Amino acid sequence: AQKVTQAQTEISVVEKEDVTLDCVYETRDTTYYLFWYKQPPSGELVFLIRRNSFDEQNEISGRYSWNFQKSTSSFNFTITASQVVDSAVYFCALSEAWYAGNNRKLIWGLGTSLAVNP
Amino acid sequence: NAGVTQTPKFQVLKTGQSMTLQCAQDMNHNSMYWYRQDPGMGLRLIYYSASEGTTDKGEVPNGYNVSRLNKREFSLRLESAAPSQTSVYFCASSSQGGETQYFGPGTRLLVL
Repeated sequence: AQKVTQAQTEISVVEKEDVTLDCVYETRDTTYYLFWYKQPPSGELVFLIRRNSFDEQNEISGRYSWNFQKSTSSFNFTITASQVVDSAVYFCALSEAWYAGNNRKLIWGLGTSLAVNP
Repeated sequence: NAGVTQTPKFQVLKTGQSMTLQCAQDMNHNSMYWYRQDPGMGLRLIYYSASEGTTDKGEVPNGYNVSRLNKREFSLRLESAAPSQTSVYFCASSSQGGETQYFGPGTRLLVL
């Protein structure tokens, strides 16, 4: 069965610290997508990144970077030099198996709440 | 482009009342979803519509019904609201199943 685990329920850091949010997934599929979403205190859900299972290159976008390792089934998210505006709940998600066709859905982790304190 | 819109933003109901949450997307997406979010429970899928004309149950469909009115619109109906349905409801859409989902702003529902 497919599953996404975000073991860190809450993380608290001081501004300018680097922080890594862990995401471990389980799937028997060889083709899948992985996602990260951000939910700031205002409540909306914001898409951050999608990764194809065939592409293990790390991705960097400003202070954000993602490390995808198929060998450990992990897709970790690092924020460098964190800022107060990074305070949010972050969700990791996995697309359901390809054999489900257009009925594929996303399987969500429970989220990690990040508090960045000034 | 508005993306995904939801109405209302906030609603208070009494137990037993009914209401419909509206969702519309202007991204020409085929698939649409309704989630509820409760503290500590992440996002739980209520119903989804893989394409126009089809709807299917998600993890927590009891007490809800849906209608995929056309390609743009997907509504969620509570026929007889219960306090356990107090939650934040999100609508989302994606081009196809399993693709990136884009979310509406959410509806906060309080059932007294």
